[in-house]
Amino acid sequence: GDSVTQMEGPVTLSEEAFLTINCTYTATGYPSLFWYVQYPGEGLQLLLKATKADDKGSNKGFEATYRKETTSFHLEKGSVQVSDSAVYFCALSGSLEYGNKLVFGAGTILRVKS
Amino acid sequence: EAQVTQNPRYLITVTGKKLTVTCSQNMNHEYMSWYRQDPGLGLRQIYYSMNVEVTDKGDVPEGYKVSRKEKRNFPLILESPSPNQTSLYFCASSPRRTEHNSPLHFGNGTRLTVT
Repeated sequence: GDSVTQMEGPVTLSEEAFLTINCTYTATGYPSLFWYVQYPGEGLQLLLKATKADDKGSNKGFEATYRKETTSFHLEKGSVQVSDSAVYFCALSGSLEYGNKLVFGAGTILRVKS
Repeated sequence: EAQVTQNPRYLITVTGKKLTVTCSQNMNHEYMSWYRQDPGLGLRQIYYSMNVEVTDKGDVPEGYKVSRKEKRNFPLILESPSPNQTSLYFCASSPRRTEHNSPLHFGNGTRLTVT
C-alpha cells in the first residue's frame, strides 16, 4: 500500500541554519504530495503542496520539489527561525477510491535554538 | 472565521465508559474525517465521510463509530473505550474534490486518556 517515510527526529538547529527534512514515498499512480506543520497545542496546517512531478511547492521560506525519479519530497529552508519549531509531517494523497485520504509520515520534530 | 471545532480538548475517562468527541465545521465542506496521532506512527485515518449519511472505514476503525446526520457535524463515538485508545484525535474537513489534492482543514485536537 501507499506509505511515507520521513527522517527521524528530533532535529535541533541553531537560528539561521539550513534545514532539510527528508521524505520519500511509495505509491501507485501519481499522488499529490504535501507538507503539514503542527505547532504546539494546535492542529495540522498545510505548509505547501505539489501535485505533479517536478512541481515545487513553497511557502513561508520553505520549499519542496516533487521528484518522481527518486520518489522524494524533501523539505528545505535556507534560514530557520525559533518560530519554526514544530512537528513537520510529509503526506501523500492516496488513490481516489479512498476519498480524500492522506497517508502521513511519522512526523519530524524540529527544535530551533536562539 | 473558517474553522473546524472539536470538543473537548482534553478528556480523561475510564475503561468501558461511553464517550463522544464532537466535531463541527462552518465551511460547508462535504468531506470530513477522523485521525488519531500516536508517537512514531504519524496520523492514521479512523473513519471518513464523503457526504451526509455516507461514512466509511479508514485504516484503524476498530472500537470507533461515527455518524453524519448533518453536513457540519461528524461526531466520533467510543462505545466502550479501552486504554489502547489513549491518543490525540483530530477531525478534518475539505470541500468535495474532483482531484485528490484538496488540502484538509484540521481541528485543534482532542487528547484522550483512558485509564
